[in-house]
Amino acid sequence: AQSVAQPEDQVNVAEGNPLTVKCTYSVSGNPYLFWYVQYPNRGLQFLLKYITGDNLVKGSYGFEAEFNKSQTSFHLKKPSALVSDSALYFCAVRDRTGRRALTFGSGTRLQVQP
Amino acid sequence: EAGVTQFPSHSVIEKGQTVTLRCDPISGHDNLYWYRRVMGKEIKFLLHFVKESKQDESGMPNNRFLAERTGGTYSTLKVQPAELEDSGVYFCASSLTGPVHTSGANVLTFGAGSRLTVL
Repeated sequence: AQSVAQPEDQVNVAEGNPLTVKCTYSVSGNPYLFWYVQYPNRGLQFLLKYITGDNLVKGSYGFEAEFNKSQTSFHLKKPSALVSDSALYFCAVRDRTGRRALTFGSGTRLQVQP
Repeated sequence: EAGVTQFPSHSVIEKGQTVTLRCDPISGHDNLYWYRRVMGKEIKFLLHFVKESKQDESGMPNNRFLAERTGGTYSTLKVQPAELEDSGVYFCASSLTGPVHTSGANVLTFGAGSRLTVL
């Protein structure tokens, strides 16, 4: 069975500072990994995905994530946080065979203070 | 392009009543998924349609939940009879079919969700 852990319910960061939202996963074999963001009263929006190749993936709004196979992690990062980045962030995983549906984590609320 | 539309946005019902949630996916998206998020918990997979066929319904909690996708377009999720633990936000998502490395494939577009409150 596949699973995703987002160990922090909330991350607080000052505007302009770098941010990291943590994600670790468990899956059979090599994973496909995703990050989604949810703003209030909206559906989840795709940020980025890791399929293969370069471990550093760049996505929307200046976000990036690094795939680390040995640590089974896929942390989301941004060099300089904006107040408008405040939202709920979800990490998701899919294995390369079998079920095509994504398995999501419980979400991390990012609060960027001005 | 219109996004994924879900209706109703919020439903409040009594235990034992029936509720039907509707999802209109993006036109041309063969894959349609239903997910549920109970307050503060992870977003849990319910089921997956490919066109009108149920590809995977392993996440459906019990036989009080019935999902349909007649004609491979919109989908409905009926809960009958509703129980207190069914409360949560039900998300629908759709995606294109194709190899996962191709642009857009396996990238889910979500609706805003239907919040269900069972009293």
